[in-house]
Amino acid sequence: NAGVTQTPKFRVLKTGQSMTLLCAQDMNHEYMYWYRQDPGMGLRLIHYSVGEGTTAKGEVPDGYNVSRLKKQNFLLGLESAAPSQTSVYFCASSYSLVGANVLTFGAGSRLTVL
Amino acid sequence: AQSVTQLDSQVPVFEEAPVELRCNYSSSVSVYLFWYVQYPNQGLQLLLKYLSGSTLVKGINGFEAEFNKSQTSFHLRKPSVHISDTAEYFCAVVNNFNKFYFGSGTKLNVKP
Repeated sequence: NAGVTQTPKFRVLKTGQSMTLLCAQDMNHEYMYWYRQDPGMGLRLIHYSVGEGTTAKGEVPDGYNVSRLKKQNFLLGLESAAPSQTSVYFCASSYSLVGANVLTFGAGSRLTVL
Repeated sequence: AQSVTQLDSQVPVFEEAPVELRCNYSSSVSVYLFWYVQYPNQGLQLLLKYLSGSTLVKGINGFEAEFNKSQTSFHLRKPSVHISDTAEYFCAVVNNFNKFYFGSGTKLNVKP
């Protein structure tokens, strides 16, 4: 049972380059999320999706785009990377709309922008 | 809007000593409360959750937390810690719209 898989695990970019982080889940979860984790700031929600074909902005969406073309995949794109986007990115998924649900996290993707 | 405050960024403790990690939240509506643990170079894992009912919640690895509505707190405790408990712990609240709000994290460092 793979759960939530993120690729790549590590990436170094130069300012202005673009890239896409891929998140895949095999639990048939409806909800998927992208968070960034920075020291002393906890996890901040970038974008999320409540189902295939839908996306919504979180707390810190600027500079990122997302797509959910298939239920099991949630892509996070950086069109023009900036040093401020150096962070560890976590994808998570959850099963239902009910507020008491549990997030299942991927192992993270460490991005460095030079 | 919800917010979560973890009062201690780092907590050093000796092995077999008790520990309490503090979490306070602010919310104008009913929320559900969680503690997640992150071991080095891993994603977050669920430690325990409070949904309703008994205010004392027991989780994995001997951890427990107590929901205190009047003080809007959800502190995490363990009576005797092990070296393997060294990790970062995150408190989180989720509202009726399934949006999670995380605290800034507390790094627990267990020393031999």
